[in-house]
Amino acid sequence: GAVVSQHPSWVICKSGTSVKIECRSLDFQATTMFWYRQFPKQSLMLMATSNEGSKATYEQGVEKDKFLINHASLTLSTLTVTSAHPEDSSFYICSASTGTEAFFGQGTRLTVV
Amino acid sequence: RKEVEQDPGPFNVPEGATVAFNCTYSNSASQSFFWYRQDCRKEPKLLMSVYSSGNEDGRFTAQLNRASQYISLLIRDSKLSDSATYLCVVNLPLDSWGKLQFGAGTQVVVTP
Repeated sequence: GAVVSQHPSWVICKSGTSVKIECRSLDFQATTMFWYRQFPKQSLMLMATSNEGSKATYEQGVEKDKFLINHASLTLSTLTVTSAHPEDSSFYICSASTGTEAFFGQGTRLTVV
Repeated sequence: RKEVEQDPGPFNVPEGATVAFNCTYSNSASQSFFWYRQDCRKEPKLLMSVYSSGNEDGRFTAQLNRASQYISLLIRDSKLSDSATYLCVVNLPLDSWGKLQFGAGTQVVVTP
């Protein structure tokens, strides 16, 4: 089946620094990828839709200047958490669809200290 | 009101027993429905799609009730490996495919 690879799987960073998370579709092209965030014991919440070659579409309440999304190719989308704070600590996960099924990356557990 | 609501559980199930749980969705025009499984600290993985006529995959049976706007999942002959959080997932109308709305999940714990 289709594979989506996300890197890194976990990261610890200092408050105020930025962290970049990569999401790659390994065996298919994805014009659209999605970024989700999941806090403990809560559901995955859609943060933004990443569109290849154009600006991302952010969900209400998600700061586009804080969560920078770049989708420069059909197989790679990146999410950069800028000026991270402890409240940004969460499980970030990307997904891409083949048109019939959505596949998820392995997720990135971000801890901001 | 949340788009997709689930009983968080946990449902404690003896090995070999049957467990069933529902999920309700708020948008009557929702198009596609799925059950995903998520293990602790892992990414969700598709368990099964849910079709209007209901469908079965081994020990798992999914049903869709459009009139009452809920979907259900039934697990027969529970195995210890079935312990996980089961996510109800809906694809809203007019959303691009893959833009999914998730329920918070129902935790199932199968005990020996």
